[in-house]
Amino acid sequence: DQQVKQNSPSLSVQEGRISILNCDYTNSMFDYFLWYKKYPAEGPTFLISISSIKDKNEDGRFTVFLNKSAKHLSLHIVPSQPGDSAVYFCAASHNYGQNFVFGPGTRLSVLP
Amino acid sequence: DAGITQSPRHKVTETGTPVTLRCHQTENHRYMYWYRQDPGHGLRLIHYSYGVKDTDKGEVSDGYSVSRSKTEDFLLTLESATSSQTSVYFCAIAGGVSSGANVLTFGAGSRLTVL
Repeated sequence: DQQVKQNSPSLSVQEGRISILNCDYTNSMFDYFLWYKKYPAEGPTFLISISSIKDKNEDGRFTVFLNKSAKHLSLHIVPSQPGDSAVYFCAASHNYGQNFVFGPGTRLSVLP
Repeated sequence: DAGITQSPRHKVTETGTPVTLRCHQTENHRYMYWYRQDPGHGLRLIHYSYGVKDTDKGEVSDGYSVSRSKTEDFLLTLESATSSQTSVYFCAIAGGVSSGANVLTFGAGSRLTVL
């Protein structure tokens, strides 16, 4: 059973609009979350993190929101740019550990 | 770049042959990982290492073994490759020059095809 779920395999958004990528988890012990972006033929690259003591973290155009009671987090990209087109992975760990469980990914397409 | 090199980047092999993938880091990080990426599954942990000669199994370790005789090198071995092991394999370290200590930094990947 997947402990980290990304229920939308793909998402298309117009350039300049907001992209919202969602992630749900089942393990209530998870307390630290990461988002990664992956381009074809490259390794995943780290985007942004959030720990369970916060409900929001911002870095430029990227904001991650965490709703612990719902076991849900989301990544907002504003404004979306064509270069944001990639696969986005959500990952979670517990005890702020370094063993992460990844979701299946969401492919974002930003249309010019 | 975070100083992680994977080799080979591409390999085609036949069922039943042994295969070794190498991960080399220049960051002197303690934790190293091997993941595989498959459609619909995301990244799944195969094995990880928390120090020289210290390794442990991940979620999908069957059919794989690892070794870490030096801090900088983490080897993944498929003793007898099967078609189900066709995948893209990623090495990662915890940390990296451009990331925080509690972030995984990935290599560029090794694409393995087992015929």
